[in-house]
Amino acid sequence: AQSVTQLGSHVSVSEGALVLLRCNYSSSVPPYLFWYVQYPNQGLQLLLKYTSAATLVKGINGFEAEFKKSETSFHLTKPSAHMSDAAEYFCAVSDINAGGTSYGKLTFGQGTILTVHP
Amino acid sequence: DADVTQTPRNRITKTGKRIMLECSQTKGHDRMYWYRQDPGLGLRLIYYSFDVKDINKGEISDGYSVSRQAQAKFSLSLESAIPNQTALYFCATSDLWQGRETQYFGPGTRLLVL
Repeated sequence: AQSVTQLGSHVSVSEGALVLLRCNYSSSVPPYLFWYVQYPNQGLQLLLKYTSAATLVKGINGFEAEFKKSETSFHLTKPSAHMSDAAEYFCAVSDINAGGTSYGKLTFGQGTILTVHP
Repeated sequence: DADVTQTPRNRITKTGKRIMLECSQTKGHDRMYWYRQDPGLGLRLIYYSFDVKDINKGEISDGYSVSRQAQAKFSLSLESAIPNQTALYFCATSDLWQGRETQYFGPGTRLLVL
């Protein structure tokens, strides 16, 4: 079964600083990975997804993530944090069968709350 | 207009009461899901449905039931609510492209069971 671990339940950065949110996964087949963001009192919004087409994935709002198979990682980065980036971020892996088809379940990490200081 | 809507957005109920949370979507997706979110635990899957006649239990289905009334509607029921079902509940739909799916979430329903 797939699993996801997000390192650090809280990350605090200064405005303009690099944002790095860590995600490691466990999967017996090539994974299908996601980052979602949840702003206060809102639902989850898809930031980006890895579908095996390219290891560096660009998402919305200037975020990107790099898939590293050797490290089983899919860390999320943004070169320069904005105050509006303050939110909770979730890494997730899709359950897929040996044939590579999604069969309906996302396994989420515990979430990382990003705080951005002026 | 939102593609995935949930009603109510907030609900307070008492232990032992029956409550239904509703989800509607205009995305035309066949697959729909119910998750609950608890602080520090991420989201956990309660039930999912691949079409109107295909409903499956997730990892935490005990104490919950669902109904897929139509392609666009998927309801979650708590037959007899208990305090540890206090949580934020999300509905999601997904599209499937070349065997890979992407899930899209509603705004959530915040439920408090007293």
